[in-house]
Amino acid sequence: DPKIIQKPKYLVAVTGSEKILICEQYLGHNAMYWYRQSAKKPLEFMFSYSYQKLMDNQTASSRFQPQSSKKNHLDLQITALKPDDSATYFCASSQERGQNTLYFGAGTRLSVL
Amino acid sequence: QQQVRQSPQSLTVWEGETAILNCSYEDSTFDYFPWYHQFPGESPALLIAIRPVSNKKEDGRFTIFFNKREKKFSLHIADSQPGDSATYFCAASGAGGNNKLTFGQGTVLSVIP
Repeated sequence: DPKIIQKPKYLVAVTGSEKILICEQYLGHNAMYWYRQSAKKPLEFMFSYSYQKLMDNQTASSRFQPQSSKKNHLDLQITALKPDDSATYFCASSQERGQNTLYFGAGTRLSVL
Repeated sequence: QQQVRQSPQSLTVWEGETAILNCSYEDSTFDYFPWYHQFPGESPALLIAIRPVSNKKEDGRFTIFFNKREKKFSLHIADSQPGDSATYFCAASGAGGNNKLTFGQGTVLSVIP
């Protein structure tokens, strides 16, 4: 059974709309992250959370807003979607916010038309 | 700015050969260097990692060689198997332990039986 659940697996959106990507982890980890993988760029770090607090934000645009309603949840809200936002968004977690093994979810593949 | 460079972009080897994947980095504060692999349609998974206190780390058929002076590290896959065919990503993160990994572009490895 997958320990990091991302929903949905595929998402198609129109330019200008808003979407929420869901992530839940059942590994008992205290740190969660979002990474993005697009066709022309390597995996990019976006955000890190530790004990539900934002620790690092590498995303320049405020259109990307992480939301942590529970310790094992880290959703990603994206507003005013653009075609350039098309990518696979991976949620990840680690035991603590440190140099520990990162476990990745299966990803949400977002296509913005 | 590309802080972690990976080469080659793609690599084909015969079964039984040693595959060599290379990475270099610029930021001298990086002190954790993992390699991830990703099979088509799946999420990245940690393969092996090294810290600069060592210049070599082995795990079965997988070995990382690390050269701090030249800021380079490589992954050697001995006795390559068709099941090793995947995309391999090197990454690096800095001191302070935040799991803010900077990834290379990836190497697509194909092992021919």
